[in-house]
This record gives sequence, C-alpha cells and structure tokens, in this order.
Amino acid sequence: DQQVKQNSPSLSVQEGRISILNCDYTNSMFDYFLWYKKYPAEGPTFLISISSIKDKNEDGRFTVFLNKSAKHLSLHIVPSQPGDSAVYFCAASEINAGKSTFGDGTTLTVKP
Amino acid sequence: DTGVSQDPRHKITKRGQNVTFRCDPISEHNRLYWYRQTLGQGPEFLTYFQNEAQLEKSRLLSDRFSAERPKGSFSTLEIQRTEQGDSAMYLCASSLDWNNSPLHFGNGTRLTVT
Repeated sequence: DQQVKQNSPSLSVQEGRISILNCDYTNSMFDYFLWYKKYPAEGPTFLISISSIKDKNEDGRFTVFLNKSAKHLSLHIVPSQPGDSAVYFCAASEINAGKSTFGDGTTLTVKP
Repeated sequence: DTGVSQDPRHKITKRGQNVTFRCDPISEHNRLYWYRQTLGQGPEFLTYFQNEAQLEKSRLLSDRFSAERPKGSFSTLEIQRTEQGDSAMYLCASSLDWNNSPLHFGNGTRLTVT
C-alpha cells in the first residue's frame, strides 16, 4: 500500500513556462510534507516544505500548495529553467515521527 | 560542512557474501537515516538513529540487515548472505535533532549482487 503517490512519472515543459508536479497521499496522520530534487548520480536534495497548518509556502520560484481535504499537494515552479530538469520526490511524515515516506518521483524535463 | 559522505560508491558482490557500507553524517546532525532505492522508485525507509540509539527499524527489513552507530557519529549498514534482490542504491541521510527537519542525503552506495 503506497501511502505517497506521484502519478505522473514524467513531465516536459518549455523554458519560462510553469511546471506543476502533483502528489497524493492516503495517510491522514501525515502532517508535514517536503519536496526533494535529485540529479543523476547524486542523492536527493531538499527543496521546500509545508506544514499541515498552512495551505501554501513559497520560496523564490518554488511554491508548494497543500489541500488537506483532498490529501493532495503540488509543487509549482515559475518560471521553469533547464537547470530544473531533475527527478522530484514528494515526501511526507507523521506527527512526531522521525522518518519520511517518499513517492516514486516525477522526472521533469525543461526544454530550452 | 562537507556534506554526508558514503563509502564505497559502488559495490559488486556475489550472492551469499556479506557487505558493509559506511556513512559519515554532517557533524552537527544527531539523526542518521538509511534508505534504499531501486530503479523507478522513491527512497524506502530502512532505519534511523538519534545519536547512538536506533529508534526505528522498518518491519520490511530482513534480519540479514543490521545497522550500527556506535559512538553517535558514523554509521555502518551490514547485509549478510546477500541476495540478488538486495541490489539497490543505499542512501544515507542526516538531519538536525527535531522532527520534520529536512534530510541531507549522501550520494549513495550502489550495490550489485551477482
């Protein structure tokens, strides 16, 4: 039973346009959500996070939106740049839990 | 801050052999995690430590797997009697000592069991 799902394995966008990556979860105990970016031959790196008490968090070109009732979050990248091409992982953790549960990732390709 | 360091980067072993991986976390991070990743999937939690105490271990983790963090600094992950299904990328991560602190990952150890 996969508790964090990223249903789009890949996404291709044009440079300068918006990239929207989606993530769904099933565990109602999840209260903190994170996005990581991964380049080939490297480990994932933290990008942005959001607590369940918020519905939006913004950091430069990156914005994460959380819809608790739908158990859905999304990552918006505006404007998209070729250097954003990577695999993006959604992760979630429960209240007072140390570990995070990851989705299977979405490969983003930004075309020049 | 030199980041999380993992050694070796690659390991090829024959089925039935034992292997050990090492992870050196960021020095001021008290928490250390082990994850496993296979092709096309996200990192799967294996276990984590707070200082030298192993606080959680995945119930999916076979008894052939054991992890230690003897002095609360570096950690080792040992796999005994390796099987072909153990072939994966083994990722180590560290974080500050509060829940939801973002993970800082190393570049992983890729294990191939032939």
